[in-house]
Amino acid sequence: GAVVSQHPSRVICKSGTSVKIECRSLDFQATTMFWYRQFPKQSLMLMATSNEGSKATYEQGVEKDKFLINHASLTLSTLTVTSAHPEDSSFYICSAVRQGFEQYFGPGTRLTVT
Amino acid sequence: GIQVEQSPPDLILQEGANSTLRCNFSDSVNNLQWFHQNPWGQLINLFYIPSGTKQNGRLSATTVATERYSLLYISSSQTTDSGVYFCAVGDGNNRKLIWGLGTSLAVNP
Repeated sequence: GAVVSQHPSRVICKSGTSVKIECRSLDFQATTMFWYRQFPKQSLMLMATSNEGSKATYEQGVEKDKFLINHASLTLSTLTVTSAHPEDSSFYICSAVRQGFEQYFGPGTRLTVT
Repeated sequence: GIQVEQSPPDLILQEGANSTLRCNFSDSVNNLQWFHQNPWGQLINLFYIPSGTKQNGRLSATTVATERYSLLYISSSQTTDSGVYFCAVGDGNNRKLIWGLGTSLAVNP
């Protein structure tokens, strides 16, 4: 158990457009999900905490109007990158907490903005 | 905030060799996880181990919370063990994880 999916796995978009990434917990309910960003050969950087039924909590320096997070149900959180620019190109990863503190990760989404 | 240091940063092994990866943290934690990130980017849970010792096949981990470190042991390494190993810790009820920089492991045939 504890499977987390992400869709799409890879997306290329043009500068100025918006992209939505979905994160689903497939076999458990998750009141808390996290969104991370990872640059090549670096560690994970937490962007925001997504709580079901409430507004997301963003980390310092992350623009909440640019990275819109919606945790619509206990199994789905979405990250929308609005008005994407080339500097938004990155590997985005979500995680979900099944119980207690243990986080389970999706396979990631590689975003390229041209 | 808590600082997490992992060592060594890079490690090259011959298939069949054993290795020990270390994670030091600067304050008390109530959450510690080890992950393996494979070459395709997928993070795989290895251990949830805020204290004590656990084993899973060729892998085992020990966390000595009072001395603020955790060790991940890999025995009889295989090429599929290659990737980056991350240690991440948490210290509060918000479930956030603070990440180390990882140990990049390459196992050669």
